[in-house]
Amino acid sequence: GNSVTQMEGPVTLSEEAFLTINCTYTATGYPSLFWYVQYPGEGLQLLLKATKADDKGSNKGFEATYRKETTSFHLEKGSVQVSDSAVYFCALSDRTGANSKLTFGKGITLSVRP
Amino acid sequence: GAGVSQTPSNKVTEKGKYVELRCDPISGHTALYWYRQSLGQGPEFLIYFQGTGAADDSGLPNDRFFAVRPEGSVSTLKIQRTERGYSAVYLCASRTASVAKNIQYFGAGTRLSVL
Repeated sequence: GNSVTQMEGPVTLSEEAFLTINCTYTATGYPSLFWYVQYPGEGLQLLLKATKADDKGSNKGFEATYRKETTSFHLEKGSVQVSDSAVYFCALSDRTGANSKLTFGKGITLSVRP
Repeated sequence: GAGVSQTPSNKVTEKGKYVELRCDPISGHTALYWYRQSLGQGPEFLIYFQGTGAADDSGLPNDRFFAVRPEGSVSTLKIQRTERGYSAVYLCASRTASVAKNIQYFGAGTRLSVL
C-alpha cells in the first residue's frame, strides 16, 4: 500500500535560518506529491504540489522537488520567518483512479523564534 | 467564495451516544472526502463521495461509521455507539470533478471528544 514517512519533530529554528523537512514515500504506481500546512487554529492548506518526476513545486518561498529515484519530496526554505510556524504534512495521491484520496505523513511541527 | 464549512467545530459526547458531523463543501465541488486526524498523527482517509454515491468507503473503521450525501452537496458523517477511541478531529475536503486538478480543499474540522 501507499505510505509517507516524515522526519521526526518538532523542529525549532531561529528566524532567517535554512529549513529542510525530509519526506519519503512508498507507492504503487506514479503518485502526485503534496505539502500541506496547518497554521495554529486553522484548517489544512495546500502549500505546494508536484505531479511528475523532477517537477519542482514552489510557494511562499518554499520549494520541493519530486525525486523518483530516491522516492523523496523534501521541503526547503532558504530563510524562515516567525509566521512560518505551523505543522507541515507531506502527502501523496495515487492517480490511477478517480478517487485521488490523500495518504499523509505524521506531520512535523515547526517553531521559528524571533 | 466560501470555503469548506464543518459544523459543529467542537462536539463533546458520552461513550455509547450517537453523533452527526456536517460538511458543506465548496459550491460546485462534486468530490467530497472525510478524513480522521488523531492526536499527533496525519489525517487518515475514511470515505470518498463522487456526487451522491460513496465511491470508496474502504477507510471506515467499522460499521458504526456511516456517511451520506443525499443531494450531492452537504454530507453528514454519522457515528453510532461512540467509543473513547473515536476522539479525534474529523476533517472534510472537497475538490472539483477534474482529477487532473486534484487539489483538495479542507475545512477546519470537527473536534470530537468522547468522554
